[in-house]
Parts: sequence; structure tokens; C-alpha cells
Amino acid sequence: AQTVTQSQPEMSVQEAETVTLSCTYDTSESDYYLFWYKQPPSRQMILVIRQEAYKQQNATENRFSVNFQKAAKSFSLKISDSQLGDAAMYFCAYRSGGGKLIFGQGTELSVKP
Amino acid sequence: DAGVTQSPTHLIKTRGQQVTLRCSPKSGHDTVSWYQQALGQGPQFIFQYYEEEERQRGNFPDRFSGHQFPNYSSELNVNALLLGDSALYLCASSLGSAGVTFGEQYFGPGTRLTVT
Repeated sequence: AQTVTQSQPEMSVQEAETVTLSCTYDTSESDYYLFWYKQPPSRQMILVIRQEAYKQQNATENRFSVNFQKAAKSFSLKISDSQLGDAAMYFCAYRSGGGKLIFGQGTELSVKP
Repeated sequence: DAGVTQSPTHLIKTRGQQVTLRCSPKSGHDTVSWYQQALGQGPQFIFQYYEEEERQRGNFPDRFSGHQFPNYSSELNVNALLLGDSALYLCASSLGSAGVTFGEQYFGPGTRLTVT
């Protein structure tokens, strides 16, 4: 069975600085997708970035980028120029072709002004 | 373009009762997935509906059942409620296909269920 592990329950970053959130996963499949979701206090789960396992190039979305290490089964999220609005719970998620998302336990990110 | 909507926003029920939660998918989407998120935890997959049939199911008891209507909206029913069913219930919609790969899942704001 696939599993997703986020080992950092809480992280803190100074406004305008860079922070990296860690995620590891376990799977025997070769074709899958990885995601980072953001869940602010409003509870709405928002997709931040996605990575297809077959792509070697790391995904980037504006200030958000990932470091995808397929052999190590590692998928970290880097947030550059952190903003107060980035404060939220961040979830790493895995999905195979079937559509079921498997989430990690989450990392609560706080941003200090 | 309306996103995923869920109703009600909050719900309080007593142990042993039954509850029905509703979800309307994003326009153009035909697949609905349901997740349970306990406080301080990541969401757990309950089941997924496509073409009015349950396509995948997570590790949840038969007390949890669902339905998808011809307009792609969906209901989640939970019977014989337990205290442990208290959670945020999230609905996500996506564009499925007859094949294996499904599109991105867009989440609704959730329904907060409290069982007393």
C-alpha cells in the first residue's frame, strides 16, 4: 500500500524568506502523481503544485517549486519570498491513475512578519 | 463558474442517528470523491463515484454509503453515527474517463459534522 509521510508537524518562516517542507512517500508503482495542497483556516483545500512521476524536471508555480527525487521517493516543497497569506496547513498527496488521493499528516506553516 | 459546493456547512447529530451530506461538482466535472478529515489529520479517502457507480472505496465500514445522481451531484450517507465520525467531510470533483487517468481534484469547503 502507498503511504505518504510528512515529518515536520510545524514550520515557521520569516516574511520574505524561503522555507522548505519535506515529504516522503512509498510506492511500488512507476506511474503516479504527487501534489502539494494548502489548507488555510477557511478549510478550503487548494492545489499548490503537481508533479508527474515520469517528468524529470521539477515543477514550478511562481514562488512555489518542488524538489522531486524519484529514487529517494522524496518530494519537498520550497516556498520563496514567503508572504503572510502563505500561512496554512500544507499537505503532500500521492495519486495513482485510479484517482484516490493519499495524504500525509500535514505541516502547519506559520509566517512571521 | 461555480466551484465545488457542499451542504450543509455545519451539522450536529446524536450518536446512533443518520446523516446525509451533499455535494455539487464543479461545472463540467463528472467524478466525485469523498474524504474524511479528522481534527489535526490529513484527509482519508472514503469512496469515489463515476457514472453513478462507486468506482473505488477506502477502508471505511458499510455504515458509509453514497450515491451519485445523473447531474453528477453526490450524497454521502452515514448510518448509526459514532462519536468517532466527528470530522470535516470534504468532497472533491474531477473529470474522469473510461480509462485509468483522472483529472485534477477540486475540493469543496467541507461539511463539519459533530456527533454528540
